[in-house]
Amino acid sequence: DAGVIQSPRHEVTEMGQEVTLRCKPISGHNSLFWYRQTMMRGLELLIYFNNNVPIDDSGMPEDRFSAKMPNASFSTLKIQPSEPRDSAVYFCASSPGVHEQYFGPGTRLTVT
Amino acid sequence: QKEVEQNSGPLSVPEGAIASLNCTYSDRVSQSFFWYRQYSGKSPELIMSIYSNGDKEDGRFTAQLNKASQYVSLLIRDSQPSDSATYLCASSGGGADGLTFGKGTHLIIQP
Repeated sequence: DAGVIQSPRHEVTEMGQEVTLRCKPISGHNSLFWYRQTMMRGLELLIYFNNNVPIDDSGMPEDRFSAKMPNASFSTLKIQPSEPRDSAVYFCASSPGVHEQYFGPGTRLTVT
Repeated sequence: QKEVEQNSGPLSVPEGAIASLNCTYSDRVSQSFFWYRQYSGKSPELIMSIYSNGDKEDGRFTAQLNKASQYVSLLIRDSQPSDSATYLCASSGGGADGLTFGKGTHLIIQP
C-alpha cells in the first residue's frame, strides 16, 4: 500500500512568490496533519483536519499560510507571499483516526 | 503551553549495548506517547506507541511510561549501527489530535 505522498519534494522560490505544497494521505485515513521542521524550532504542528474539516489551525504562523482539504485524498498548504524565514521541511502525515500518525517524505522549501 | 523535553545528545553507545533515551512532558492531560526515528534527510518513522503506565515491548525496543512523573523512555537492546539516528518523543491529548514533539536525541551506535 502506498504511503503518504507529497509533492514537490524540493521547492526553491524567490521571496514574495506563492508556494503550494501538496499531500495525498494514505487511503482510508481520515485525519491529516501538516508539520514544519527547522533546526531551531524542531517539528511543529501547523494544522490538522478530521474528515476533511480543519480542526485546529493555531499552529499556522501567519495569515500568509493557508491550508485546504477539498476531499479525502488531497490537501494543500499554501504560502502567499513567501519569505526567507519560511524555509523549512514541510511534512504531511495521516492517521486512521486515532493514535499513530504516518509521515510523508516531506517537501524541502527554500525561499531566497 | 505543551512542551516535550529531550536531551539533544549526542548519546554515544557501543554496539551490542542498551541505549536508553528519555523524555519528559509538561501537559498532564496528555494521553498518548510515541517514539519516532528520523534518519538524516528523511521523514520521521513511527517505532513505538504507548498509552498506559508501565512497559511495552516490541522486538529490541521497550517503551516505558510513568504518568505520575510525566516521563517516557525508550530502551533499545542489542544496539546496532543502523540504530544511529535522531529519536523524537511525541505526545498527544488522545483521539485524533496533533502531536507535540521534542527536539530529539541524536543517538550514535559505535561499531
